[in-house]
Amino acid sequence: DTGVSQDPRHKITKRGQNVTFRCDPISEHNRLYWYRQTLGQGPEFLTYFQNEAQLEKSRLLSDRFSAERPKGSFSTLEIQRTEQGDSAMYLCASSTSFEQYFGPGTRLTVT
Amino acid sequence: SQQGEEDPQALSIQEGENATMNCSYKTSINNLQWYRQNSGRGLVHLILIRSNEREKHSGRLRVTLDTSKKSSSLLITASRAADTASYFCATEGIIFGKGTRLHILP
Repeated sequence: DTGVSQDPRHKITKRGQNVTFRCDPISEHNRLYWYRQTLGQGPEFLTYFQNEAQLEKSRLLSDRFSAERPKGSFSTLEIQRTEQGDSAMYLCASSTSFEQYFGPGTRLTVT
Repeated sequence: SQQGEEDPQALSIQEGENATMNCSYKTSINNLQWYRQNSGRGLVHLILIRSNEREKHSGRLRVTLDTSKKSSSLLITASRAADTASYFCATEGIIFGKGTRLHILP
């Protein structure tokens, strides 16, 4: 399977804990995006990488969120000191141009 | 924040009928994209229309863009059961609306 993969698919954590998600994009894609989606809503843009450079970050993203893409390959999204409001599906997408290919998402539940 | 807003929020039609959903947005754009999301295949890119284009076709899909009204529409002709999904517009491809939930009745 050469699509976008995300790991883990599900994560349950207690409030206050840190969590890290991984995204492996399609190999030749230089652009990588992170989104958050809650039930009944569309995906909410979080951040965007071109190769290893983080070019855009949503102002809605608090300092508890950080993302990296070392060497322009896979990416990680870390949430520190999780809150119940962080419960959502976290989606990753990659592209070479306008058409984004989305992964299956990581569903985070904060208890 | 979500710039696009789709209308209607939900739509149920008989198989074979056409489905039209609309998207309104707030600021000037370079392009607008439509995506489909269902439980089986996740989010899938459908079509992109640039700000200097008024209409675009792809198979059974027809998209229009009216930059003066800051609105776009997606028409799905001859609907099929497999078209049951949520449809989102996304300005610049990254700012998504809340979506239209389309249900095709057999």
